[in-house]
Amino acid sequence: DTGVSQNPRHKITKRGQNVTFRCDPISEHNRLYWYRQTLGQGPEFLTYFQNEAQLEKSRLLSDRFSAERPKGSFSTLEIQRTEQGDSAMYLCASSSTGIAGNTIYFGEGSWLTVV
Amino acid sequence: QQQVKQSPQSLIVQKGGISIINCAYENTAFDYFPWYQQFPGKGPALLIAIRPDVSEKKEGRFTISFNKSAKQFSLHIMDSQPGDSATYFCAASAFYSGGGADGLTFGKGTHLIIQP
Repeated sequence: DTGVSQNPRHKITKRGQNVTFRCDPISEHNRLYWYRQTLGQGPEFLTYFQNEAQLEKSRLLSDRFSAERPKGSFSTLEIQRTEQGDSAMYLCASSSTGIAGNTIYFGEGSWLTVV
Repeated sequence: QQQVKQSPQSLIVQKGGISIINCAYENTAFDYFPWYQQFPGKGPALLIAIRPDVSEKKEGRFTISFNKSAKQFSLHIMDSQPGDSATYFCAASAFYSGGGADGLTFGKGTHLIIQP
């Protein structure tokens, strides 16, 4: 039984470049979340999918950020024209609906450093 | 504005002691309150969670106490061990009352050190 998988785990990019992160949720989890975490802070919610539909987007998700989950399985988070302020850990999480509630499982995160 | 306030920022406890971390929330629609543990370089891992229909939940050495009227909840770690040294985050969501759409709102975290 595999957990939430994210890659790449680390990415260093120059300011202005585009980066893309991939997330593979726990199989059969229909909900997928993206969070951002900076040093010394708690994770901040970015966006959420139920199956392939993007149902909620945080105000933190600027126009340079786009997330997709084309077939309701894996998801990608793309950041265009990266800025130094985008440096953070990007966390993917997944959960399933049901009477068991909303246990959200996180991946190990993808670290982004913009230089 | 949805907020979860967590205290203390850092905590040092002797091995075998009780670690207590507190959180307070504002949004009365919150109805799901998990605690996560995070080690350096890793993603957060769910420890224990509670819904507001109970005042306490215990799992092993970890206990959540919940005070709905005060809008506060806390994590107690009994018999704290050096392996418990990590950052702990409280969180909240309106999962049940919000139709399941909301993500988690996290506190800023407590850096816990258990001294041997």
